[in-house]
Amino acid sequence: DAMVIQNPRYQVTQFGKPVTLSCSQTLNHNVMYWYQQKSSQAPKLLFHYYDKDFNNEADTPDNFQSRRPNTSFCFLDIRSPGLGDAAMYLCATSRVGQGSGSSYEQYFGPGTRLTVT
Amino acid sequence: AQSVTQLGSHVSVSEGALVLLRCNYSSSVPPYLFWYVQYPNQGLQLLLKYTSAATLVKGINGFEAEFKKSETSFHLTKPSAHMSDAAEYFCAVSGYAGGTSYGKLTFGQGTILTVHP
Repeated sequence: DAMVIQNPRYQVTQFGKPVTLSCSQTLNHNVMYWYQQKSSQAPKLLFHYYDKDFNNEADTPDNFQSRRPNTSFCFLDIRSPGLGDAAMYLCATSRVGQGSGSSYEQYFGPGTRLTVT
Repeated sequence: AQSVTQLGSHVSVSEGALVLLRCNYSSSVPPYLFWYVQYPNQGLQLLLKYTSAATLVKGINGFEAEFKKSETSFHLTKPSAHMSDAAEYFCAVSGYAGGTSYGKLTFGQGTILTVHP
């Protein structure tokens, strides 16, 4: 089945120690998104890639970076995690801007729960 | 600009009772509207979507929603609640407004549905 995969599902890191979260997709979607979701809150968009074009949200801290080496993979790098960065990180994909092939809905992975100690 | 308001952060129903989760939206462009469900420690799963076709949309797990432009509403209903419906539900709006806003979702704050036996 086509899907969005996130690894690892649970990640524990130390305060200030860089961490990378991984997302891959088999849907061949052109847009990939990273969200941060804290307890009892809606997902908050950090940034997205429209094909190779990186789009950062205005309020995303510089501590968060992303890479998309190819269509299938996207990474979230947290350079110096703080206690406030503990959250669920969700990757999503969609197919937009492709005429009749556009669907607009986003497909989410299962998330990575990040704990900062 | 787009926004979504979900009325009621918590809704509690008895098993077998009607489920009604309310969502009102604001959008400066013709909207695409979505309902997502999230189970604990999981990603978001698409329940249903409205993309300017039929105003009554049927989704998975017996849920449906009706788009009412005059009321700017997209309420989610299910005739008979099941214990497995207990989860958090998010209403979201998307709409093309040019540039990098293509495909971006704006979420409501979520409604936690509790189902009592």
